[in-house]
Amino acid sequence: DVKVTQSSRYLVKRTGEKVFLECVQDMDHENMFWYRQDPGLGLRLIYFSYDVKMKEKGDIPEGYSVSREKKERFSLILESASTNQTSMYLCASTAPSQPQHFGDGTRLSIL
Amino acid sequence: GEDVEQSLFLSVREGDSSVINCTYTDSSSTYLYWYKQEPGAGLQLLTYIFSNMDMKQDQRLTVLLNKKDKHLSLRIADTQTGDSAIYFCAESRRDSSASKIIFGSGTRLSIRP
Repeated sequence: DVKVTQSSRYLVKRTGEKVFLECVQDMDHENMFWYRQDPGLGLRLIYFSYDVKMKEKGDIPEGYSVSREKKERFSLILESASTNQTSMYLCASTAPSQPQHFGDGTRLSIL
Repeated sequence: GEDVEQSLFLSVREGDSSVINCTYTDSSSTYLYWYKQEPGAGLQLLTYIFSNMDMKQDQRLTVLLNKKDKHLSLRIADTQTGDSAIYFCAESRRDSSASKIIFGSGTRLSIRP
């Protein structure tokens, strides 16, 4: 079974802090994704990566950056956290043309 | 538009069938998916259908695809309390560099006794 692991289930940070959300997958998938999920808005794609050191902006990249130094790890970075980034963050990975497999999510609160 | 659309709420009686509907926009989508999200958890892939199929059945789950109308449905037979969750419809799209999946906003299924 595919395993996508997000480093934290719950995280509380302060406004202005730099925040790292980590995601690791064990299936040698090329593609990895970061979404945020907010009530009534479904899943919105922040960034995705289709190869090591490659990244592309999703629908809502503002205020975020990503890093993919190794194939199995995809990090989401909030350079200077703000309260409107309080959300549930979901990481996913997939091989091309295959379903995405999701981690359990990180519920991030910015105070 | 680019939206995948589904209704936000559905309430059914325990033991009845649930039918969750979805419309999508990209006629070139190769796969269509149903994901289930239980409270506090990530998304779990329930089932998927290839675009050249009309129907797929897996135990209590039946997926129907109408390509002409771009309509996808998920039927859950004999709905149980454990089926309470948010169900997301999604379609795959080929971007310039990678396959992306576009999600609907999710349908919250609640079960009443």
